[in-house]
Amino acid sequence: ETGVTQTPRHLVMGMTNKKSLKCEQHLGHNAMYWYKQSAKKPLELMFVYSLEERVENNSVPSRFSPECPNSSHLFLHLHTLQPEDSALYLCASSQDSGGGTEAFFGQGTRLTVV
Amino acid sequence: GDSVTQMEGPVTLSEEAFLTINCTYTATGYPSLFWYVQYPGEGLQLLLKATKADDKGSNKGFEATYRKETTSFHLEKGSVQVSDSAVYFCALSLKIYNQGGKLIFGQGTELSVKP
Repeated sequence: ETGVTQTPRHLVMGMTNKKSLKCEQHLGHNAMYWYKQSAKKPLELMFVYSLEERVENNSVPSRFSPECPNSSHLFLHLHTLQPEDSALYLCASSQDSGGGTEAFFGQGTRLTVV
Repeated sequence: GDSVTQMEGPVTLSEEAFLTINCTYTATGYPSLFWYVQYPGEGLQLLLKATKADDKGSNKGFEATYRKETTSFHLEKGSVQVSDSAVYFCALSLKIYNQGGKLIFGQGTELSVKP
């Protein structure tokens, strides 16, 4: 149990579908992240939320839309995805404190776009 | 910009062999350094960390020392086991004021340990 829970664990969707990924943490952290992990590629930071405000968007296409309604929940809304968006999507959280902070990861959602 | 570079994998070792996975970084300021491990089908787990120069992080027989002079944080283990087979990620974290820690990862190194 990592303290960060992602649902669903697996998702298959068509290119015209709309779906959402959910992330929940009960660690009392105030920063949350979405990462994309593709085969043979480094982890790509997609979005960062701190105190429920988006502080970073790493040039992610608009077909990915994050939402952070409170400090414990983070969503990634998906629509009109492409097959190359198939990947493992990882959520993480950390505590905003003095010095560099470590992140705690969920187990990820394995997304397949068909 | 800030970045992390790891040795490329895959690394294949026999059980009880000595392990080194090299990691170097580039960063403005004074980052904290981490090693994460990802077992098949799982998310990333923190393995060890060091927050300042000359600190040594250790866990489960793994060690890494924060070397500011060489900007390195190499991962070592004296005797690997089959259960250590996984992908290992080196990462740095920079404090951005009021924005949490910005975590930057290396590309990962796959380790395979054979009986």
